[in-house]
Amino acid sequence: RKEVEQDPGPFNVPEGATVAFNCTYSNSASQSFFWYRQDCRKEPKLLMSVYSSGNEDGRFTAQLNRASQYISLLIRDSKLSDSATYLCVVNPFNNDMRFGAGTRLTVKP
Amino acid sequence: DVKVTQSSRYLVKRTGEKVFLECVQDMDHENMFWYRQDPGLGLRLIYFSYDVKMKEKGDIPEGYSVSREKKERFSLILESASTNQTSMYLCASLTGGVGEETQYFGPGTRLLVL
Repeated sequence: RKEVEQDPGPFNVPEGATVAFNCTYSNSASQSFFWYRQDCRKEPKLLMSVYSSGNEDGRFTAQLNRASQYISLLIRDSKLSDSATYLCVVNPFNNDMRFGAGTRLTVKP
Repeated sequence: DVKVTQSSRYLVKRTGEKVFLECVQDMDHENMFWYRQDPGLGLRLIYFSYDVKMKEKGDIPEGYSVSREKKERFSLILESASTNQTSMYLCASLTGGVGEETQYFGPGTRLLVL
């Protein structure tokens, strides 16, 4: 079983839509969680950390469910510029950061 | 601004050649990483290092070795390149405490092994 699993998509949504991605992780002792964004032919960049209490950054909301070992990312009011691949990242213990395969989002006019 | 640089953006090598990929970061980060990224597989961790001369295997270390002689530089070595090592190679460094970690990536090296 992969350490971090994501639905690869693609998700094709119209502008203004709300879209949610989920990610599951296998190591119950994992200590920290993140969402990264990767644009086509670019390097990944941190979008947001995911805290136990959930956190929001503008149109983006991240949640962690430790009991079920999944994290989620919700994007409200999608913009064309949100089109990218969203990568779920887990720090299992020793900063050996593990990535999911990514979920591709395309927002259409 | 944190900067992570990689020695080459594109590289073409022949099977059996020894290949060196270099990565340099300018922010005094202790942790550095090498990943490869392939379609449908995402980023897979090859090796990481948490200090000078320290290294840890990731998920796919076979066919690779690393060197960290100085804090700012982390090198990935393909001892004898094979066609299945054709990939995008991404280097990263990391900062931040638990829950606040941020990885900064270099632009990547696209390696083609013929």
